[in-house]
Amino acid sequence: AQKITQTQPGMFVQEKEAVTLDCTYDTSDPSYGLFWYKQPSSGEMIFLIYQGSYDQQNATEGRYSLNFQKARKSANLVISASQLGDSAMYFCAMREVTDSSYKLIFGSGTRLLVRP
Amino acid sequence: GAVVSQHPSWVICKSGTSVKIECRSLDFQATTMFWYRQFPKQSLMLMATSNEGSKATYEQGVEKDKFLINHASLTLSTLTVTSAHPEDSSFYICSAKTSGGLLGYTFGSGTRLTVV
Repeated sequence: AQKITQTQPGMFVQEKEAVTLDCTYDTSDPSYGLFWYKQPSSGEMIFLIYQGSYDQQNATEGRYSLNFQKARKSANLVISASQLGDSAMYFCAMREVTDSSYKLIFGSGTRLLVRP
Repeated sequence: GAVVSQHPSWVICKSGTSVKIECRSLDFQATTMFWYRQFPKQSLMLMATSNEGSKATYEQGVEKDKFLINHASLTLSTLTVTSAHPEDSSFYICSAKTSGGLLGYTFGSGTRLTVV
């Protein structure tokens, strides 16, 4: 069974600084995908970044980067140069390739608050 | 890009009545639709997976007779909360798998259900 763990229920960061949101996972499937989503107060789910288990390099998308440490089974999200609009819930999610249902399983989330 | 239109965005209903939530893929064929439930300040919990033309697969602990899912076409999936009770009040959100690869999950904007 797969499991996603986000140990930080809430985080503060000063505007313009970088912040790391932690995510660890557990799976016996050698092939899997890891996702990060942002959920503002409106409730919509905004895709941020994706990392495949066989990707050699850490994923980056603009101010978002994923610190993927496969041996430690961690996939931390790094947000650089935080902006006030980054205040939201952030969810880590995983999908196992051998799971033909393609379902995404989410962690408990981290609420990020960016201080001006 | 791929868009999933979810309606209604919010609904208030009386206890004992049924409520139908629709998710419609606007510019692609959604062969698989996932239905999630999210309580305040909690994570997205997968309720069921629906594939076009077949019965939905429900996660453990989800009452299939209470949460009726229909995926009769490639562009429309519906979730009906039958005989709703106050404890069913929650945020319901759908997600469509949009491609054959690991990427490609498009979320609806969510429905906030309040049962009074």
